Amino acid sequence: KQEVTQIPAALSVPEGENLVLNCSFTDSAIYNLQWFRQDPGKGLTSLLLIQSSQREQTSGRLNASLDKSSGRSTLYIAASQPGDSATYLCAVRPGSGGGADGLTFGKGTHLIIQP
Amino acid sequence: DTAVSQTPKYLVTQMGNDKSIKCEQNLGHDTMYWYKQDSKKFLKIMFSYNNKELIINETVPNRFSPKSPDKAHLNLHINSLELGDSAVYFCASSHFGPSEAFFGQGTRLTVV
Repeated sequence: KQEVTQIPAALSVPEGENLVLNCSFTDSAIYNLQWFRQDPGKGLTSLLLIQSSQREQTSGRLNASLDKSSGRSTLYIAASQPGDSATYLCAVRPGSGGGADGLTFGKGTHLIIQP
Repeated sequence: DTAVSQTPKYLVTQMGNDKSIKCEQNLGHDTMYWYKQDSKKFLKIMFSYNNKELIINETVPNRFSPKSPDKAHLNLHINSLELGDSAVYFCASSHFGPSEAFFGQGTRLTVV
């Protein structure tokens, strides 16, 4: 059974720092991996989607990498800003089932950027 | 303009009641999902539907009954609500296969 782990569970850094959030998964048979952010009391906003054949994706100050064979992904946030404060969720779509499989989520990293 | 919309946003009800949550997507997706986020903020898949047909039911009590009248809608009906059903329920949609999933804003259900 797929399990997704995110480290650290919480992180607080001063504004302007570069930071890395980690995600690991136990079953490398995935279709893709998706990073989300969740603001308090809000829904999930998709940040980046990496297909299983890709190594990384970039969007603005965000860069996500995927090493499928080792079951790891990282989300790199450059020049962090207070507006980046949120919970970041990593989720994988299993590749062993059909195309309608749901995502398996990690428990998230709660990020606080201090002004 | 909202891609995936859920109603209501908040739902407070008494134990034993029956309630429904509605979900609509305007993204042209053929696959829709319900997820549950528990008090510890852990998100877990409940159901997935593809072209109005149930694909996944992740050991959810049969008091939960999803219904998909068409590809753009997936409603969740809950019978005989229990205290443990209190959670945030998220609807999501995607194309069939390895495509990006989009989520609604969630429905916070509180059973008293």
